[in-house]
Amino acid sequence: DTEVTQTPKHLVMGMTNKKSLKCEQHMGHRAMYWYKQKAKKPPELMFVYSYEKLSINESVPSRFSPECPNSSLLNLHLHALQPEDSALYLCASSQRDINEKLFFGSGTQLSVL
Amino acid sequence: SQKIEQNSEALNIQEGKTATLTCNYTNYSPAYLQWYRQDPGRGPVFLLLIRENEKEKRKERLKVTFDTTLKQSLFHITASQPADSATYLCALEGDKIIFGKGTRLHILP
Repeated sequence: DTEVTQTPKHLVMGMTNKKSLKCEQHMGHRAMYWYKQKAKKPPELMFVYSYEKLSINESVPSRFSPECPNSSLLNLHLHALQPEDSALYLCASSQRDINEKLFFGSGTQLSVL
Repeated sequence: SQKIEQNSEALNIQEGKTATLTCNYTNYSPAYLQWYRQDPGRGPVFLLLIRENEKEKRKERLKVTFDTTLKQSLFHITASQPADSATYLCALEGDKIIFGKGTRLHILP
C-alpha cells in the first residue's frame, strides 16, 4: 500500500463550524505533514510531525489544530475559520527523514462560507 | 532569504519533443533537490531526487541535472506525450521543503 488517504475530499463549512480533516498512511512512514495550497500557488507547509511529535509549526493560526493519534493517522481540526482559509489541504508522509520523497494524498478541497 | 524560481509559468511543447524545465535558487546550498508532478485537484507526486554530489539522474524518460555552481536544476522529459501535461514543481531541501511556483507543461498533440 503506497497511498496516503485523505477524507473528506470536499468540505464546505461555515465560519462558526468545527470540522476535522483526516489523513491515513500504512507505509510505516514516520514523518507526516499538513500543507495548504491556494489555486496556482505552490504548497505551503503548515505542520510537521516526526515520530508522532509535532516538530514544526509554521506559525499557523490557532484555528487550525493538528493531532497525530498514532504513527498512521494525522488529523487537522478546524474551528472558526475565515473565508480566506479556503484552499486545498494536503497531507503528506515520508519514510524517516523529514523532507525527502514526500508522498501526498489527493487533498481536501475546503470552502469556508 | 532562500528563494527558488521556476522561470516559466507555462510551457507548450510539441508531442515527441524534449521538454526542458528550469529551476534556479539563491541564498542557499541545498544538499538535494526534488521534482514533483501535480495534476489539477490532486496532490503532488514525487518524481526524482538529486543530491549535490550527483550531476545527473535518470528515470525512464525523465532526466534531472543539478549544477551547484550555477545554482540550477534542469528537468527534461524526452519523447514527450500529451499525458505528460501537468504542473511540475521543483522543491528545495532545508529545515523545511520550499516548493517553487511550478511550471505548467502542455504537450500538444
